[in-house]
Amino acid sequence: GQQVMQIPQYQHVQEGEDFTTYCNSSTTLSNIQWYKQRPGGHPVFLIQLVKSGEVKKQKRLTFQFGEAKKNSSLHITATQTTDVGTYFCAGGAYGQNFVFGPGTRLSVLP
Amino acid sequence: GAGVSQSPSNKVTEKGKDVELRCDPISGHTALYWYRQSLGQGLEFLIYFQGNSAPDKSGLPSDRFSAERTGGSVSTLTIQRTQQEDSAVYLCASSRDWTSYNEQFFGPGTRLTVL
Repeated sequence: GQQVMQIPQYQHVQEGEDFTTYCNSSTTLSNIQWYKQRPGGHPVFLIQLVKSGEVKKQKRLTFQFGEAKKNSSLHITATQTTDVGTYFCAGGAYGQNFVFGPGTRLSVLP
Repeated sequence: GAGVSQSPSNKVTEKGKDVELRCDPISGHTALYWYRQSLGQGLEFLIYFQGNSAPDKSGLPSDRFSAERTGGSVSTLTIQRTQQEDSAVYLCASSRDWTSYNEQFFGPGTRLTVL
């Protein structure tokens, strides 16, 4: 079945440094979603990518969907302490349910 | 309602007891999902409903776990004869329908502790 992997599992950065997490699927995706879970909270939807090669930006966050629609990345520029949390990607495949990746836990040192 | 609600927020039970967890999705959302999240881990898919039917029960860890949804709204997840490894946060999410193009709205979760 479909598998979604994320790297790295953990990332510690100094405040102001950039951060990137990568999401890879074993199968071609129809779309991909990204969620953020703050410590002690529940996952909250960030964005959805649908088109091959699509790039979307939300302030300091840049999301990219690969040309082959099998991978995606989330890049945060100049991290802040408010960026702390776990970032999950979730891959959708035609006719199938979403599969969440294991997440990347980001800690930001002030 | 304004968002997905879950009850109880915390549940402590003794090994061997049955527990029932409740999820109230956003009004009008036909798809409902249950996930389990152990401490510091990712989201483990358990089951999803489209309306009252559950096309995919593949994620239920054992036959001690069951779920139902009535009236296309509230869902209950029942764990019979709880074991210590069942301790986790159980998250419920709903979306407009089951297609993957709809975002999932998560509830605050129920933290289950089995002593």
